[in-house]
Amino acid sequence: GESVGLHLPTLSVQEGDNSIINCAYSNSASDYFIWYKQESGKGPQFIIDIRSNMDKRQGQRVTVLLNKTVKHLSLQIAATQPGDSAVYFCAERNTGNQFYFGTGTSLTVIP
Amino acid sequence: NAGVTQTPKFRILKIGQSMTLQCTQDMNHNYMYWYRQDPGMGLKLIYYSVGAGITDKGEVPNGYNVSRSTTEDFPLRLELAAPSQTSVYFCASSYQGPYEQYFGPGTRLTVT
Repeated sequence: GESVGLHLPTLSVQEGDNSIINCAYSNSASDYFIWYKQESGKGPQFIIDIRSNMDKRQGQRVTVLLNKTVKHLSLQIAATQPGDSAVYFCAERNTGNQFYFGTGTSLTVIP
Repeated sequence: NAGVTQTPKFRILKIGQSMTLQCTQDMNHNYMYWYRQDPGMGLKLIYYSVGAGITDKGEVPNGYNVSRSTTEDFPLRLELAAPSQTSVYFCASSYQGPYEQYFGPGTRLTVT
């Protein structure tokens, strides 16, 4: 089966600092990855995605890096704000239509 | 657009009861999904649909059934509810393929 895991279950950062959230995946055939943000009591919200033919993709204040050699994905948030406090999930898509989610990292931003 | 809507928001079931979780999207998305999220865990796919009349099993389909008679609606049926089905259920949709998914607000189900 699939295995998508996170290196750290919790992360605390000072407001204004950069945050890095990591994710390991096990299926080398996975071709598409998504980062989601989930605030308490809400459904996941899309942040950014990346295809397996890319190493890096940037959005507004966020960057996703993909290292296929070691099957590792990271989400970088620049100038972290209190509104960034949430649980962040990575999800990988295998060769079918199914996504496999990691267990999540809880990010707390300290004012 | 309302996006993805789910009803009810909360429900308590007794063991052996049945219920249907409703999901509707108004974005004309072809793909729809049902996930469950247990406390402190990631989401696990129950069923998905690539279009009206087409459904397929996900990672944890046992104890559930789905139907997709229209593009907009994708109800999830629980037959003979069990305590192991206590979870938060999320419905999601995506436009033309398994890409960016839009999630509903979730249904919190407790089976006692």
